Amino acid sequence: GAVVSQHPSRVICKSGTSVKIECRSLDFQATTMFWYRQFPKKSLMLMATSNEGSKATYEQGVEKDKFLINHASLTLSTLTVTSAHPEDSSFYICSARPTSGRFYEQYFGPGTRLTVT
Amino acid sequence: AQSVTQLDSQVPVFEEAPVELRCNYSSSVSVYLFWYVQYPNQGLQLLLKYLSGSTLVESINGFEAEFNKSQTSFHLRKPSVHISDTAEYFCAALYNTDKLIFGTGTRLQVFP
Repeated sequence: GAVVSQHPSRVICKSGTSVKIECRSLDFQATTMFWYRQFPKKSLMLMATSNEGSKATYEQGVEKDKFLINHASLTLSTLTVTSAHPEDSSFYICSARPTSGRFYEQYFGPGTRLTVT
Repeated sequence: AQSVTQLDSQVPVFEEAPVELRCNYSSSVSVYLFWYVQYPNQGLQLLLKYLSGSTLVESINGFEAEFNKSQTSFHLRKPSVHISDTAEYFCAALYNTDKLIFGTGTRLQVFP
């Protein structure tokens, strides 16, 4: 149980285009989902917290107009990287907290490798 | 600032040898500590956690970690590793919020 999927697992896009990454909780409902970014040999950095039906809360330094987050249902959150540039190339990971879960519970997706050329 | 430090980026070890993966956190009145494991092409999985109570916590697959407040450490140990333990291990902390703060990870490589 408690499986989170991400799609796509890898994506290559051209500079200036937009890319959408999906995060799904497969066997539970998640009111809250998190989006992280991971650089090589660096820790996971929280980008934003999304709550179903409301606007996402972005961490300091994260451009909300560039990284659009939508959490339209209790099982799906999407991250859209708009007008992507090479510096946006990274590993993006989502996690989901079960609606009935404890405060520390997060189940992680396998990640999406984004390469912007 | 709140932070988690994993000094060892890679730890090579032979099968059946003991291992310790180090983790230090910035001190706080209240902190919850976690170890996550990431196998290739999979998401992070919770290995064990310290919330309160006994300072020694154990996982189902033989790992253990001890919360040491005086040394602000939460090192992960296993007395005898298996090839299947090869993975990336992340230490993380929760400081009064729901924001997990991660260390940079330690790659455990177990050799036959």
